[in-house]
Amino acid sequence: GAGVSQSPRYKVAKRGQDVALRCDPISGHVSLFWYQQALGQGPEFLTYFQNEAQLDKSGLPSDRFFAERPEGSVSTLKIQRTQQEDSAVYLCASSLVGTSGATNEKLFFGSGTQLSVL
Amino acid sequence: DQQVKQNSPSLSVQEGRISILNCDYTNSMFDYFLWYKKYPAEGPTFLISISSIKDKNEDGRFTVFLNKSAKHLSLHIVPSQPGDSAVYFCAARGNSGYALNFGKGTSLLVTP
Repeated sequence: GAGVSQSPRYKVAKRGQDVALRCDPISGHVSLFWYQQALGQGPEFLTYFQNEAQLDKSGLPSDRFFAERPEGSVSTLKIQRTQQEDSAVYLCASSLVGTSGATNEKLFFGSGTQLSVL
Repeated sequence: DQQVKQNSPSLSVQEGRISILNCDYTNSMFDYFLWYKKYPAEGPTFLISISSIKDKNEDGRFTVFLNKSAKHLSLHIVPSQPGDSAVYFCAARGNSGYALNFGKGTSLLVTP
C-alpha cells in the first residue's frame, strides 16, 4: 500500500487478556518504530527495528510488552496480561533508511491502533 | 521527565493571520528537530524539520526557527488557513539516538 497500515483500528480487551497489534510499513522501508500515545500526551517511544533486528527496546514499559519483525517487513506488538494503564493509541512508523549516519530522514506514521482495556 | 515541552495546549488564530507555535527542549544533545501535524483519527504527518546547524528553515507557508542558546524553536504559519487546524507536535532527536522525543502537542484552531 501507499502508507503505513495498522490493524486493528480499534481493540477492546478485558484486563488480563493478551493482544497483538499489527503494522505493515511502507514497502522497502528499513526502519520501523512503535510509539505509545496516551490521551492528551505526545507519542512515547517504545521500540525500534532496523530490518529484522530490534536495535532498541528501551521504551517498552514492562516485560509484558514484546515486539517482533521476523522478516524485516510486517511487525507485531504483543501485550500480555493487559492492564488498564495500557489503554492508549499505539502508533507504528517507518522510514526508508536506517538511522545510523542519516539523521534527516522523516518518519511516516500509521493511523494507530486504539487499545481500550476494561 | 519531559525533554520536549509545548507549554501552550491550544491556540486560536484568525484566518490570514500568523500562527506561532512554540517548543522548548532541555537536552543539549538534541541536534535535529521536527514538526508533525495530526488530524483526529489519523497518525502524525511530517511537516518540516531543522538541523541544529541552521537557525531557520522555510517551506512555503511554514517556517521553523531554532534558537540553540535558548533551547527554543518555533513554527510560523503565514498566512493561516482553516485547513491548518490540527494538533502540532514538536519532536527532537540526538545524533546517537533512535527515538524521537515528542512534546504534548498544541491544538491550533484557525477560524474563518
